[in-house]
Amino acid sequence: ETGVTQTPRHLVMGMTNKKSLKCEQHLGHNAMYWYKQSAKKPLELMFVYSLEERVENNSVPSRFSPECPNSSHLFLHLHTLQPEDSALYLCASSQDQGSIQYFGAGTRLSVL
Amino acid sequence: EDKVVQSPLSLVVHEGDTVTLNCSYEVTNFRSLLWYKQEKKAPTFLFMLTSSGIEKKSGRLSSILDKKELFSILNITATQTGDSAVYLCAVCTTSGTYKYIFGTGTRLKVLA
Repeated sequence: ETGVTQTPRHLVMGMTNKKSLKCEQHLGHNAMYWYKQSAKKPLELMFVYSLEERVENNSVPSRFSPECPNSSHLFLHLHTLQPEDSALYLCASSQDQGSIQYFGAGTRLSVL
Repeated sequence: EDKVVQSPLSLVVHEGDTVTLNCSYEVTNFRSLLWYKQEKKAPTFLFMLTSSGIEKKSGRLSSILDKKELFSILNITATQTGDSAVYLCAVCTTSGTYKYIFGTGTRLKVLA
């Protein structure tokens, strides 16, 4: 148990659906991250929040929309996804930016 | 473009063997190098290295960083089947904001 909890663990959605991924950290950290992990590719950093403000958006398509309502919670809102968006989505948190990141178990997303 | 390369991509050994995993990098504004173990879903933190030549050790695992030659190694001695996992290397850079660049990982399988 890393102190970072992600729900749901698995998600299957059609291309016209709207869904949200949730991440909660119980570590008192100030920074939270969303990563995409596709088969045989490195983890891709999608979004970074520090003290609830977005500080990084790595050219992610607008069909992915993050939300950080407080320092313990991070959401990734999904709409009109494409099959190539199927991947493992990992959330992480760290005490501050540049510190050790602690990861959740991820959400396995399949887009049909 | 910042880059992290891990080798080998995969490795199969027998219990009791010693393995060395490699991570080389080409980045600007290096801050730290991190090693993670990913068994099923959540990468779990192993080591964070910031200084050259200082070995970090935890049980049978150890790691060292060479900032001149731009690489790190992760050693595992007396391997056990529980060491089977993907080992991820990440480099943290800072140039205004912090970024984490991951390698594709080394998949280690330890046979009984």
